[in-house]
Amino acid sequence: AQSVTQPDIHITVSEGASLELRCNYSYGATPYLFWYVQSPGQGLQLLLKYFSGDTLVQGIKGFEAEFKRSQSSFNLRKPSVHWSDAAEYFCAVEMDSSYKLIFGSGTRLLVRP
Amino acid sequence: DTGVSQNPRHKITKRGQNVTFRCDPISEHNRLYWYRQTLGQGPEFLTYFQNEAQLEKSRLLSDRFSAERPKGSFSTLEIQRTEQGDSAMYLCASSSLLVVRAEVQETQYFGPGTRLLVL
Repeated sequence: AQSVTQPDIHITVSEGASLELRCNYSYGATPYLFWYVQSPGQGLQLLLKYFSGDTLVQGIKGFEAEFKRSQSSFNLRKPSVHWSDAAEYFCAVEMDSSYKLIFGSGTRLLVRP
Repeated sequence: DTGVSQNPRHKITKRGQNVTFRCDPISEHNRLYWYRQTLGQGPEFLTYFQNEAQLEKSRLLSDRFSAERPKGSFSTLEIQRTEQGDSAMYLCASSSLLVVRAEVQETQYFGPGTRLLVL
């Protein structure tokens, strides 16, 4: 079955440290890939997306993600985390041009001062 | 571009009551989606519209759930005879299609959600 896995439920980093959030998907072809961020009680904000082409994509707020076909992964990175980055991060995929997004269960990021 | 809006933002109701939520998409977007998000989980697709046509509704959780988009603009999601298990965040998203080098690309933009609590 098609699925999206975010293996880390919680991650804690110190402010100024680098960050990598993991995302793996199960699908036979290359899906469209997205990262969204959700602050408590809020909707989802799009950080970045990958459709095709360059496998390293840049997003808002200094985030980037790299698509690795061989690992079926689309990990999110940021070189220096700010306290305002504390939120929940969701990886999502669209498979088979199926219009609907399939989400991972999210990773909650905590930032230590 | 004012973004996707949803009303109400919060709804508390008693079990057995009916509730209706409204979503106003980004004005030029012709696709509209409904998702449900329970605590600690990612959003789960429910249904979607292209203009006024509901093209997929098999994921609606039961026949108590229904959605409409009568004029291809705003949409409503109704839950009849609510149950405690319906307590969740209900998210709406809208999108438009972009054709880039013969590839159809779609990006969904989400509203703030309606949080439902069924007592």
